[in-house]
Amino acid sequence: GENVEQHPSTLSVQEGDSAVIKCTYSDSASNYFPWYKQELGKRPQLIIDIRSNVGEKKDQRIAVTLNKTAKHFSLHITETQPEDSAVYFCAAIYNTDKLIFGTGTRLQVFP
Amino acid sequence: ETGVTQSPTHLIKTRGQQVTLRCSSQSGHNTVSWYQQALGQGPQFIFQYYREEENGRGNFPPRFSGLQFPNYSSELNVNALELDDSALYLCASSSGRQETQYFGPGTRLLVL
Repeated sequence: GENVEQHPSTLSVQEGDSAVIKCTYSDSASNYFPWYKQELGKRPQLIIDIRSNVGEKKDQRIAVTLNKTAKHFSLHITETQPEDSAVYFCAAIYNTDKLIFGTGTRLQVFP
Repeated sequence: ETGVTQSPTHLIKTRGQQVTLRCSSQSGHNTVSWYQQALGQGPQFIFQYYREEENGRGNFPPRFSGLQFPNYSSELNVNALELDDSALYLCASSSGRQETQYFGPGTRLLVL
């Protein structure tokens, strides 16, 4: 079925440490994988995305890796800061053009 | 912030009533997708409109309907409201069916 699994559901790190969130998708035809950050009471904001023709993409402290064979992709945040605290959602576009979201990871960065 | 806007921001309805939510897409975007986000959960895909035609639908009953106008703005209509329809309704616009989606601020609906 159309499903995206996301782990962990909560993640607490010390400021300056790295954070990693992992997602698994079920459709081998999926070719677009965005990551959104959602702060309390606000809209989801795109932070980075990757298409299936690349294995890794970086944007300053944020990186995403994609393993198409294993059907999983991960978000890496380095040098975390308190303002990184939010809920992060991974998503995958299925061949019916539906964007299916994971269940979210609540990241807390402690000063 | 994105150029996607939604109205109203908040809405309170009672069971059985009908509601219409509106979304204005970002300039240059021809695709609008609608999502329902219950508290503590990820957005759930309702349907997508591409160039005024419905293009894909999630697991929602027919009382959830919508349309897209020639200027690519969109409406979500929900008939016969139920308590479980209480949620944040988000729209997202994109420049194509599988292109990057940018979200509006959402409409928070409470059904009593």
